[in-house]
Amino acid sequence: QSALTQPASVSGSPGQSITISCTGTSSDVGGHDYVSWYQQHPGKAPKLMIYDVSNRPSGVSNRFSGSKSANTASLTISGLRAEDEADYYCSSYTSSSTFVFGGGTKLTVL
Amino acid sequence: EVELVESGGGLVKPGGSLRLSCAASGFTFSSYSMNWVRQAPGKGLEWVSSISSSGSYIYYADSVKGRFTISRDNVKNSLDLQMNSLRVEDTAVYYCARAHEGRAVAGNDYWGQGTLVTVSS
Repeated sequence: QSALTQPASVSGSPGQSITISCTGTSSDVGGHDYVSWYQQHPGKAPKLMIYDVSNRPSGVSNRFSGSKSANTASLTISGLRAEDEADYYCSSYTSSSTFVFGGGTKLTVL
Repeated sequence: EVELVESGGGLVKPGGSLRLSCAASGFTFSSYSMNWVRQAPGKGLEWVSSISSSGSYIYYADSVKGRFTISRDNVKNSLDLQMNSLRVEDTAVYYCARAHEGRAVAGNDYWGQGTLVTVSS
């Protein structure tokens, strides 16, 4: 159950778009369309932003989108806003019927 | 309104035991898979355990298998995590989380506020 690989940090200016990658293996990201993305502000519980690779839960802005190619999933945030500054985590279902998270990415809005 | 409230955290010595509970309200608890997720201080999220809506299917992370036991009571709308043989590396905030749409694979859409477990001598 090795953690999925995410960049430690990304940054962008307000209004820009950024993409966070999440790389796994054929046993997790590449083998199932069950990748989720979470946003976590300091001291707060995580918030589900994307599920099933590309679906947004009700109430999540359409500025957030998800995709997947082979063993790598991606989260794209368009029209960056100051309130998007947070930690982002990907998660995937695995072939062992378990779940694995990425190490997290700190997004800084410049 | 969906609410998840964890309790039972605290300070325990290595090798000790602790039982966490999560009280659920605002939704049909018996229809949802539930999860425990933890976060060590200053670190990332780590999935700990999942239990299906009926309790028939249970899964654990390798790091806790054989030491932790997840259970649920669909009458009392509660989720528990019995933690035995605790190690220093189990120190974390433990979150109770609800599976989105009731499907364990669809991420977790509601989370509790977390309860801190500190394992230290």
